[in-house]
Amino acid sequence: DSGVTQTPKHLITATGQRVTLRCSPRSGDLSVYWYQQSLDQGLQFLIQYYNGEERAKGNILERFSAQQFPDLHSELNLSSLELGDSALYFCASSAPGRYEQYFGPGTRLTVT
Amino acid sequence: GDSVTQMEGPVTLSEEAFLTINCTYTATGYPSLFWYVQYPGEGLQLLLKATKADDKGSNKGFEATYRKETTSFHLEKGSVQVSDSAVYFCALSENSGGFKTIFGAGTRLFVKA
Repeated sequence: DSGVTQTPKHLITATGQRVTLRCSPRSGDLSVYWYQQSLDQGLQFLIQYYNGEERAKGNILERFSAQQFPDLHSELNLSSLELGDSALYFCASSAPGRYEQYFGPGTRLTVT
Repeated sequence: GDSVTQMEGPVTLSEEAFLTINCTYTATGYPSLFWYVQYPGEGLQLLLKATKADDKGSNKGFEATYRKETTSFHLEKGSVQVSDSAVYFCALSENSGGFKTIFGAGTRLFVKA
C-alpha cells in the first residue's frame, strides 16, 4: 500500500459525459501527478500540482482539467468524453524536494 | 527535448536466468533516474533510483547504475523468479528549465517456471 488513494476504482460512462476522478496523496506529500495509461500509448504524464498550484503540464487535452485543494487532495475532470479516453488513470504523489513518486491503485475509466 | 528509451518487450526468461532491461535517456540537465515496476492489476511501485552519475540503485536483487558517459540506466537481476513477472518502466525527473518527469514505454517481463 503506497498511501495514495484514488476513487472510484472503476467508472463506466457514455460518450459526451463528464466525470471527476479523485486522489488523496500520502501524508506529508505536497506534489500530485496525474497520468493516463492506455494499452497502445503507455504511461502519459498529464499534469502536476504542488501545494495547490500547477507546476508542470504534459499531454493533457483541453477537455481535461485538474485542481489541487487546500487539503492537498486533487481532482481530475474529464469532459466531453470520447471512446479513446478509455484508460487507466493514475495519481501519484511525492514529498517536498524529492522526485520519487508513489502511485495510487488507479481508476479504470470505460467510455461506451 | 528529454526522452527515455527502453528495450521493447516482451522479454521471456526461465526462472533463475539473468535479466537485463536496457534504458537510455536524453536530458538537458542532470536528471534523477528511476525504475518502477507494475504488477498485474496494480499501480506502479518505485523499484530503485539513482540521483547522480555513477550512483548504483538496488532493491530486491535488482540493480542499475547511472552511467552519464553512455546516458544509460540498465536494469539487471542475477536470478529472476516467476514473481518478477511484471512491466518495468524506466523514468527520469529533473528541474531544468521547468520541472519534468518522463517515463519510458515499459518492458513486459514474463518468467517461466
